[in-house]
Amino acid sequence: DVKVTQSSRYLVKRTGEKVFLECVQDMDHENMFWYRQDPGLGLRLIYFSYDVKMKEKGDIPEGYSVSREKKERFSLILESASTNQTSMYLCAAKEQDYGYTFGSGTRLTVV
Amino acid sequence: AQSVTQLDSQVPVFEEAPVELRCNYSSSVSVYLFWYVQYPNQGLQLLLKYLSGSTLVKGINGFEAEFNKSQTSFHLRKPSVHISDTAEYFCAVRLRNAGNMLTFGGGTRLMVKP
Repeated sequence: DVKVTQSSRYLVKRTGEKVFLECVQDMDHENMFWYRQDPGLGLRLIYFSYDVKMKEKGDIPEGYSVSREKKERFSLILESASTNQTSMYLCAAKEQDYGYTFGSGTRLTVV
Repeated sequence: AQSVTQLDSQVPVFEEAPVELRCNYSSSVSVYLFWYVQYPNQGLQLLLKYLSGSTLVKGINGFEAEFNKSQTSFHLRKPSVHISDTAEYFCAVRLRNAGNMLTFGGGTRLMVKP
């Protein structure tokens, strides 16, 4: 099974800070995804990547960017954090059987 | 574009009772269907998936779901729930032959009471 690791479980950042959320997978999967999870809204796709240096916008990319310099690592960047970006962030990698494997999530609070 | 609707945001149920969590989707093309579970402070874990073949799909922890193409539904069921089933459940769809993105419903919080 693919293992997806998110480096931080909880983060507290100040408004205006640049924030990096890191995600690493231990298999050779091309497709990786960043979602944010908010109560009642389910999971919404921010960005995804289908290969190194390749990225595509999801449904809510505003205020975010991503970086994929190596196949195993997919980073989500908040250029200037704002309070409305307080959320749970979930990283996922696509498996061969059409499903995803998710990391444990990073709960980000912007104060 | 596809969308997923989970009709119940919360479902309270007593232990050992049956439960059904409802999921409807809209799509103009064929889809793959998934149910995920999220326990407190954890990521999402795959419960079961429908790719093709039999419309009744069995998953982990005694859950099953039935794909109904005419009603565009994929309801999740368990005949007898345990306290440990308390979690949030997400239905998701992915288009066949068109990309790798999953679209999720808003989630249903299952609360099992003793």
